[in-house]
Amino acid sequence: DGGITQSPKYLFRKEGQNVTLSCEQNLNHDAMYWYRQDPGQGLRLIYYSQIVNDFQKGDIAEGYSVSREKKESFPLTVTSAQKNPTAFYLCASSIGGFGNQPQHFGDGTRLSIL
Amino acid sequence: QQQVKQSPQSLIVQKGGISIINCAYENTAFDYFPWYQQFPGKGPALLIAIRPDVSEKKEGRFTISFNKSAKQFSLHIMDSQPGDSATYFCAASISNFGNEKLTFGTGTRLTIIP
Repeated sequence: DGGITQSPKYLFRKEGQNVTLSCEQNLNHDAMYWYRQDPGQGLRLIYYSQIVNDFQKGDIAEGYSVSREKKESFPLTVTSAQKNPTAFYLCASSIGGFGNQPQHFGDGTRLSIL
Repeated sequence: QQQVKQSPQSLIVQKGGISIINCAYENTAFDYFPWYQQFPGKGPALLIAIRPDVSEKKEGRFTISFNKSAKQFSLHIMDSQPGDSATYFCAASISNFGNEKLTFGTGTRLTIIP
């Protein structure tokens, strides 16, 4: 089955620690996205990548970093500079190129602070 | 700046009734308007989408109505069922090449009661 796999489902971070969220897709999509979901705020774009080895900041990129070394993978690192990291993180992908392509989402990673 | 405003934040509808969720946008360059459905603990999934060259699109019990002059669009769920209980997000994008970003509304939590 084609789809997007996010891991882990739950993640706990200690103060001052960096953590990395995994996102893998087997849909052969060019574009990939990371969103943060908080209650009452919808989905806010953190970073997106239109092609391998290239990525762009979204609306709330501060305190986060990404890489896109392979088409299938788009890991997100939540750094210690992100002061309020507790949220539900969603990864998505699309064929890319045009804004009217559906985005396919993974089932998310819930990050909490210990 | 919130470019897509969604209301209400939560909605309770009796089984068999009509659920109506509204969205308004500011950027007149938007020309693609999808709706996503999200169940608890899952990622959003595309439900239905519309382009501004039509005023209404229907898929089964789900209908999008679009008012270009008012810069508003809405989702109507006819004969609402308990299985429709979910969070619904409207979104907007520019469908030109190179503009894959979606701007999401803040979401509506819909509960269908027996």
